[in-house]
Amino acid sequence: KAGVTQTPRYLIKTRGQQVTLSCSPISGHRSVSWYQQTPGQGLQFLFEYFSETQRNKGNFPGRFSGRQFSNSRSEMNVSTLELGDSALYLCASSSQGLQTEAFFGQGTRLTVV
Amino acid sequence: TQLLEQSPQFLSIQEGENLTVYCNSSSVFSSLQWYRQEPGEGPVLLVTVVTGGEVKKLKRLTFQFGDARKDSSLHITAAQPGDTGLYLCAGVIGSSNTGKLIFGQGTTLQVKP
Repeated sequence: KAGVTQTPRYLIKTRGQQVTLSCSPISGHRSVSWYQQTPGQGLQFLFEYFSETQRNKGNFPGRFSGRQFSNSRSEMNVSTLELGDSALYLCASSSQGLQTEAFFGQGTRLTVV
Repeated sequence: TQLLEQSPQFLSIQEGENLTVYCNSSSVFSSLQWYRQEPGEGPVLLVTVVTGGEVKKLKRLTFQFGDARKDSSLHITAAQPGDTGLYLCAGVIGSSNTGKLIFGQGTTLQVKP
């Protein structure tokens, strides 16, 4: 079956702009989690959605938001971009949540200039 | 605050050597996962340990969960160049419905032929 698909793979944005990233989970998976990966901070948990509801949230400012649709596809939005938002954004899907096996996408590499 | 301390951060060894990666925390985890990530890809789950004292083997890889469920180790026997990559431990704090997934900083392993 198809894996987790993230689009776009690469993105360059200017400070102050906003960006929307997309994640299509594995068919049948209801949980989608988002992570930010940077060389300095490593992988940090942003939020998790399950059946269209945000179930868990990490320690990121309100500029980072997300949503999940009825088909389990998820989007992440970052408003008023800052240089420090440059990172690899990864999403992971799992059938039930954090304790079940998570399958990661290849990520979206966001560069803010 | 980094809840999961992973060490060493970098490891460069010769093919055939053994190595151990450690993952330590002051927090208790309901489960702990180990991932391997290659450049340009998302992390891939290697194993999940759930019970304190649990030991799991995956070919030349041995994973152990501490008795108190606060620490874990990954031991690789007779490392091969194909083992090269970023190894990440991740702990689940709380239940699958209300918990968070916390990643360690990662260990970059290079195995030279």
